[in-house]
Amino acid sequence: AQSVTQPDIHITVSEGASLELRCNYSYGATPYLFWYVQSPGQGLQLLLKYFSGDTLVQGIKGFEAEFKRSQSSFNLRKPSVHWSDAAEYFCAVGPPGDSNYQLIWGAGTKLIIKP
Amino acid sequence: DTGVSQDPRHKITKRGQNVTFRCDPISEHNRLYWYRQTLGQGPEFLTYFQNEAQLEKSRLLSDRFSAERPKGSFSTLEIQRTEQGDSAMYLCASSLPLAAQETQYFGPGTRLLVL
Repeated sequence: AQSVTQPDIHITVSEGASLELRCNYSYGATPYLFWYVQSPGQGLQLLLKYFSGDTLVQGIKGFEAEFKRSQSSFNLRKPSVHWSDAAEYFCAVGPPGDSNYQLIWGAGTKLIIKP
Repeated sequence: DTGVSQDPRHKITKRGQNVTFRCDPISEHNRLYWYRQTLGQGPEFLTYFQNEAQLEKSRLLSDRFSAERPKGSFSTLEIQRTEQGDSAMYLCASSLPLAAQETQYFGPGTRLLVL
């Protein structure tokens, strides 16, 4: 069955500390991979996406993610978090090509920033 | 570019009432998507349009749910005879497909509470 697992429901990090959010997927072929962020009262915003090529993907707001085919993972990282990064983060995977409506979404990880 | 807008942002209704939500996509975007998001979950795809054509509607949750996009611009999502289980955030997204680089832009959502 196709699925996306974000193992951590909540993660708490101190401001300035590094961050890694985990995403594991089960999919028949190499999917397209996405990370979105959802801040309270705001819409989901795309942080980055992987379609092909370099497995280390740079995104907005200083985030990056690494696709590891052997581990079926697409973990999101940031070297130093800011209080404004507190939000919920969603990993999504989908079939290659023009099929956004077929994205499979994880349940999200809520990031809490300690001052 | 004012982004995707949704109206209303919040709706409280009594069980059995009909509700209608509106989504205004980014002006040049020809694709429009509707999702439902419940607490602690990622978005759940409902339906999507390309221009005025509804290309996928099999995942609308029941026949109480319907969506329209009559002129290929704004869209409405109607829920008839609401039930308490319909309480959720309803998200709209739009996109402009460009080969494999399609990115969805999400609105802030309409939060529905059915009493």
